Amino acid sequence: GQNIDQPTEMTATEGAIVQINCTYQTSGFNGLFWYQQHAGEAPTFLSYNVLDGLEEKGRFSSFLSRSKGYSYLLLKELQMKDSASYLCAAIRKGGSYIPTFGRGTSLIVHP
Amino acid sequence: DTGVSQDPRHKITKRGQNVTFRCDPISEHNRLYWYRQTLGQGPEFLTYFQNEAQLEKSRLLSDRFSAERPKGSFSTLEIQRTEQGDSAMYLCASSLDPGGSSPLHFGNGTRLTVT
Repeated sequence: GQNIDQPTEMTATEGAIVQINCTYQTSGFNGLFWYQQHAGEAPTFLSYNVLDGLEEKGRFSSFLSRSKGYSYLLLKELQMKDSASYLCAAIRKGGSYIPTFGRGTSLIVHP
Repeated sequence: DTGVSQDPRHKITKRGQNVTFRCDPISEHNRLYWYRQTLGQGPEFLTYFQNEAQLEKSRLLSDRFSAERPKGSFSTLEIQRTEQGDSAMYLCASSLDPGGSSPLHFGNGTRLTVT
């Protein structure tokens, strides 16, 4: 089975840095996605981690520790438009490689 | 790349009616997924196709739900005898790589309201 946990809500100030954590318990873990979802819109892909370490992509970085079942998404130089829900999704190896999503973390960026 | 498109965007129906949603994936993608999302929750997996074969279904998918992908291109999701608990956003996604590393590309969803 799979269990994914992330905080429900976070707030941060424009220009700051925020870290959104995700822990997972996934048998046969094969990788983890991070998605961004603005209210009323489709989730959009941000990053994919399969190996331990940090993947940097512009203002966004994602980290994975397979041994700890832990990932985080780091957002730098926050902008108001970064206010959204951030979803982590763990992929189980074998079979259909179907991503299982957490409930999402609602990030509110204020001036 | 025109993206994943879903139709309709919104559907309001009365309890007990049948509804059908359509999804057109990105043309070269062989994998197609249906998810359901309610307010404040992440997407919940419903079912998955590889080409025209439906390879996995969630326990969430009761016998009132059926999905097809007849020619390995577009897909339909039908809900029979709708219930108020079926009210949700129904998301379709497609991807290319069978190894799990290819990200899912989501459509804008069909928002179903059952009254």
